[in-house]
Amino acid sequence: GDSVTQMEGPVTLSEEAFLTINCTYTATGYPSLFWYVQYPGEGLQLLLKATKADDKGSNKGFEATYRKETTSFHLEKGSVQVSDSAVYFCALSDRQGAQKLVFGQGTRLTINP
Amino acid sequence: GAVVSQHPSWVICKSGTSVKIECRSLDFQATTMFWYRQFPKQSLMLMATSNEGSKATYEQGVEKDKFLINHASLTLSTLTVTSAHPEDSSFYICSADERASSYNEQFFGPGTRLTVL
Repeated sequence: GDSVTQMEGPVTLSEEAFLTINCTYTATGYPSLFWYVQYPGEGLQLLLKATKADDKGSNKGFEATYRKETTSFHLEKGSVQVSDSAVYFCALSDRQGAQKLVFGQGTRLTINP
Repeated sequence: GAVVSQHPSWVICKSGTSVKIECRSLDFQATTMFWYRQFPKQSLMLMATSNEGSKATYEQGVEKDKFLINHASLTLSTLTVTSAHPEDSSFYICSADERASSYNEQFFGPGTRLTVL
């Protein structure tokens, strides 16, 4: 079945550091790819998405590019802030049927001032 | 943006009792709602998919007689954990699929933490 693998956390960085969180996937067909963020005490929020190969999703300074050849969707940000501290989930959706989401295990990110 | 609420946000119950969790889409109609379970420091695992007015579709390994799902309207779905036991303690999260969205983006509730004593 479909699956998503993320780099294990926790990840701790200093403010203004460069961030990469790796995500690779296994899927039949052509899934859509997502990054969700979960801030402490809150529900998951969609951070960005890409629906086809070579698409780049971006939001709040974060970017991820849908790489079909490497089956990857790595999350990057050039300069992180303390407010970026959260848990980040990579996910995929089979665009057929009920759009079920398959999540990676999540990566906890802590940014120190 | 679209808002999904869950009630209660946390609940503690005795073993053997039943607990109902509500999931509401506040400002949009949801064609489909999803129920997830999240264990500490682990990912979300889809439990079931519910469509308004029809029976829920459960994922493999999820007991449908234990986790009763009702999706009576386009804005409300409920999950009832029947005869709860300590191993049912977990964080339950719902999401709603916006009917009007061309992509069917899912919006997530804040979750309900269930503790069974």
